[in-house]
Amino acid sequence: QQPVQSPQAVILREGEDAVINCSSSKALYSVHWYRQKHGEAPVFLMILLKGGEQKGHEKISASFNEKKQQSSLYLTASQLSYSGTYFCGTLRGSGNTPLVFGKGTRLSVIA
Amino acid sequence: GAVVSQHPSRVICKSGTSVKIECRSLDFQATTMFWYRQFPKQSLMLMATSNEGSKATYEQGVEKDKFLINHASLTLSTLTVTSAHPEDSSFYICSARAPTALLLGNYGYTFGSGTRLTVV
Repeated sequence: QQPVQSPQAVILREGEDAVINCSSSKALYSVHWYRQKHGEAPVFLMILLKGGEQKGHEKISASFNEKKQQSSLYLTASQLSYSGTYFCGTLRGSGNTPLVFGKGTRLSVIA
Repeated sequence: GAVVSQHPSRVICKSGTSVKIECRSLDFQATTMFWYRQFPKQSLMLMATSNEGSKATYEQGVEKDKFLINHASLTLSTLTVTSAHPEDSSFYICSARAPTALLLGNYGYTFGSGTRLTVV
C-alpha cells in the first residue's frame, strides 16, 4: 500500500522552514526519504528504523512515530538547492523487499 | 560504495521495436533488483522484482510478456521493453540494496541514474 504524503506541493522563500508528512495505514518497518530533481534519479536522504528515531543531515531532519505510523521530514532555513520532489518510501515487508513510494511533495524554494 | 550503473540514459525508438535497459551493481552483488517506472510529475511505481537465477515477480497490471526481465548474474539485471508503443514512453529506473545495508540497516536503496524512453 502506498504511503500518503502531505502536502502535495509547497513554495518557500529562502530561509523559511517546511514540514513534509508521510503516513501509512499499515505498520511501518522503516521510512526512507529521498529527494528527486527534475530528470534525475532519486537521491537517498535518510532512513529511520525505530519508533521515536530522529535523524538529521545538515538542516534536513526527520522523525518517525511508529505508533502513529507516520514520519515527518523537516527542512529548516531552506536553500535554493532544496528544491525538488521529496518522496517517502516504506518497505512492503521485512528484509530485502521493495520500497513503495508516496506520491511525492514538490518543494520549490525561491529567492 | 553501493553504486548501480544504468544504461542507456536516454533512448528514442520507433513503435514496434524493442529496447533493452541494463542495470549493473558495480561494487556489490545484487541478488535482487527492483524496476520502477515514473511518468511525468508522478511517483515511482514498482513494476517488478528481479531475482538472480529465477523468474521475476511482476506487479499487478504489468505485462510480463511486454516487459521482459532477466537477472542472469549477481551484478546484472536487464529490462527489455518489447513491441514498444508511445504509451510506454516513461522514465525507467532500477534499484538495489547492498548486503551491508541489510546488516547495518543504515543505508538506503541505491538507484540507477534512470533511462528516459521515448517511443515515436
